[in-house]
Amino acid sequence: GAVVSQHPSRVICKSGTSVKIECRSLDFQATTMFWYRQFPKQSLMLMATSNEGSKATYEQGVEKDKFLINHASLTLSTLTVTSAHPEDSSFYICSANLYRPSYNEQFFGPGTRLTVL
Amino acid sequence: AQSVTQLGSHVSVSEGALVLLRCNYSSSVPPYLFWYVQYPNQGLQLLLKYTTGATLVKGINGFEAEFKKSETSFHLTKPSAHMSDAAEYFCAVSQRDDKIIFGKGTRLHILP
Repeated sequence: GAVVSQHPSRVICKSGTSVKIECRSLDFQATTMFWYRQFPKQSLMLMATSNEGSKATYEQGVEKDKFLINHASLTLSTLTVTSAHPEDSSFYICSANLYRPSYNEQFFGPGTRLTVL
Repeated sequence: AQSVTQLGSHVSVSEGALVLLRCNYSSSVPPYLFWYVQYPNQGLQLLLKYTTGATLVKGINGFEAEFKKSETSFHLTKPSAHMSDAAEYFCAVSQRDDKIIFGKGTRLHILP
């Protein structure tokens, strides 16, 4: 159980276009989801916290108008990279929070490789 | 503020030898601590976690870690390395707000 999927797994787009990445919790409901960015051979950097039914909370330095997050349901959060440029090329990973009585556990998606030409 | 420091961006061990990956954390409140593994072009897999209780935590694939509050450490060990253990390993810390802060990662190389 507790599976998180991402779609697409890979996407190549032209500079200036927008790309939408979906994150789904397949077998549980997630009030909170997180979006991370990972550059080659580097760690994961938290971009934003996505809360169902409310605005996302962005980390310092992350452009909210550039990276649009929508958490419209308890099983789906989307990240849209608007007017993508080559420097946006990265590995984007989402996670979904599963609430437990003892503590909340995050389950990670398999990631989406974005390449902007 | 929380932070995680992983000592050594690359660690090489011989197959069958002990694996030791070091992690130190900084947290103003009792932390939750994690070790994740990442294979190339894949997401993260949780190896083990410490929340409360027993300080020696056993995880999957024969890995374990010990929470040492006095040393603010959470080192990852495995008695005998296997070729399939070659991957990137991330130590991470979180608190009650659920944000997970990751270390920079340690790439584990297994020598035949």
